[in-house]
Amino acid sequence: SQWGEENLQALSIQEGEDVTMNCSYKTYTTVVQWYRQKSGKGPAQLILIRSNEREKRSGRLRATLDTSSQSSSLSITGTLATDTAVYFCATHYNQGKLIFGQGTKLSIKP
Amino acid sequence: EAAVTQSPRNKVAVTGGKVTLSCNQTNNHNNMYWYRQDTGHGLRLIHYSYGAGSTEKGDIPDGYKASRPSQENFSLILELATPSQTSVYFCASGRALNQDTQYFGPGTRLLVL
Repeated sequence: SQWGEENLQALSIQEGEDVTMNCSYKTYTTVVQWYRQKSGKGPAQLILIRSNEREKRSGRLRATLDTSSQSSSLSITGTLATDTAVYFCATHYNQGKLIFGQGTKLSIKP
Repeated sequence: EAAVTQSPRNKVAVTGGKVTLSCNQTNNHNNMYWYRQDTGHGLRLIHYSYGAGSTEKGDIPDGYKASRPSQENFSLILELATPSQTSVYFCASGRALNQDTQYFGPGTRLLVL
């Protein structure tokens, strides 16, 4: 999982496999966002999930949020080579500023 | 879709020199942000703004100033650049302060020699 002072996590899987990335956060939040950053680009939001949703889907993506354990996950089904990227979770704190996790570097082997 | 542009895309500066990084957004978003991204630290907030004329300190503001002369433009200024400021800098914009999506620019790679 990713957060705080943890090093960047790295995962390498074969195209077509499913993958789940985890995120745990330290401060109370009612919203978690997941961003994807491809090489040489800025981050782009994938999913925003609120505490009253617990689970949210968007195409091949599925995000969960468990406020009791202060954790969130992002799953990708049927990965493609184009899913290769760094994935960040981000939470809101202190007047709504975002704090980003360290990220999970996902490599999809064709 | 949100459009945030940054200039320059790459910059080499000398220690002690002044560096200005520029950001422009065409989405009429009130809020804008400057982050730096370093290996092992993820994205860290330097300065942010609620609108034209406003700037606020983020989590790592030392050595940086910011300027928001208009709704569209937000600059990050390094008055006396140091090698420790070598990094990739991202600008972002968003509609509202709380719990909203941030739209990022493509980044500026800065090398301070």
